[in-house]
Amino acid sequence: GAVVSQHPSRVICKSGTSVKIECRSLDFQATTMFWYRQFPKQSLMLMATSNEGSKATYEQGVEKDKFLINHASLTLSTLTVTSAHPEDSSFYICSAEYPGQTYEQYFGPGTRLTVT
Amino acid sequence: QKEVEQNSGPLSVPEGAIASLNCTYSDRGSQSFFWYRQYSGKSPELIMFIYSNGDKEDGRFTAQLNKASQYVSLLIRDSQPSDSATYLCAVKRDDYKLSFGAGTTVTVRA
Repeated sequence: GAVVSQHPSRVICKSGTSVKIECRSLDFQATTMFWYRQFPKQSLMLMATSNEGSKATYEQGVEKDKFLINHASLTLSTLTVTSAHPEDSSFYICSAEYPGQTYEQYFGPGTRLTVT
Repeated sequence: QKEVEQNSGPLSVPEGAIASLNCTYSDRGSQSFFWYRQYSGKSPELIMFIYSNGDKEDGRFTAQLNKASQYVSLLIRDSQPSDSATYLCAVKRDDYKLSFGAGTTVTVRA
C-alpha cells in the first residue's frame, strides 16, 4: 500500500512555456501533499505544502506565482511551473502524507524537468 | 546548529557486514522519525519510521531511537550490494513538515 504516482516522469520544454506535473495518491486519501525539488547531489528542498481545498503555503524564497499548486481532491495535487526558464530545470518530487498516528510521507517517483 | 545532522559519508562496507547510520536532531520535542533510502536519480523511499524509544526491527533493518540523547540510528544487517544508496534521516516538525539530514551515502562492496 501507500503508493504515490507522478506524471510525467520526464519532460522537456522550451523556455517561456508552462508545465503541469500531477501527483496522485493511489491507495489512500491525502489531505496534505508536499512538493520538493532536488538538484544533483543535494538534499531535498521543500517548496510548498498543499492542502486539499485550501491554498498552498510556500516556503520562503519560492515564488507562488511561478509555481502554481492546486490540490483539488484528496488524491490529486498539481504543480504548474509557469514561464519556465533553464534555471527551473530540476528534479521535482511530490509526497503525500499518510493519515495515521505518525503521518509519514510517501514520495512519488519524481519528475525530471529540463527547460531548453 | 542544523535541525538534523547525519554522520558524514560515504560509508563503505563489505557485503554481509552491518552498516550503521547515525542521526542527531536539535528539537527535543520531536516525536516521529523516519529513514528514507534514495537510489541515484530516484525519489526517496520510506524504509522505517519510529516514534518510541528503543529498537524497531523490520527484516534486515533496525531503527534505534533515544529521545534523551536526541539520537536515532539505522542498522542494516547482512548488507547487500542492492543496499548501496543514500540514506536520509528525517524528523517530523511541529508543523508536520519533515526536516531532512544531508544524507549518508552507503556503498556495499561485493
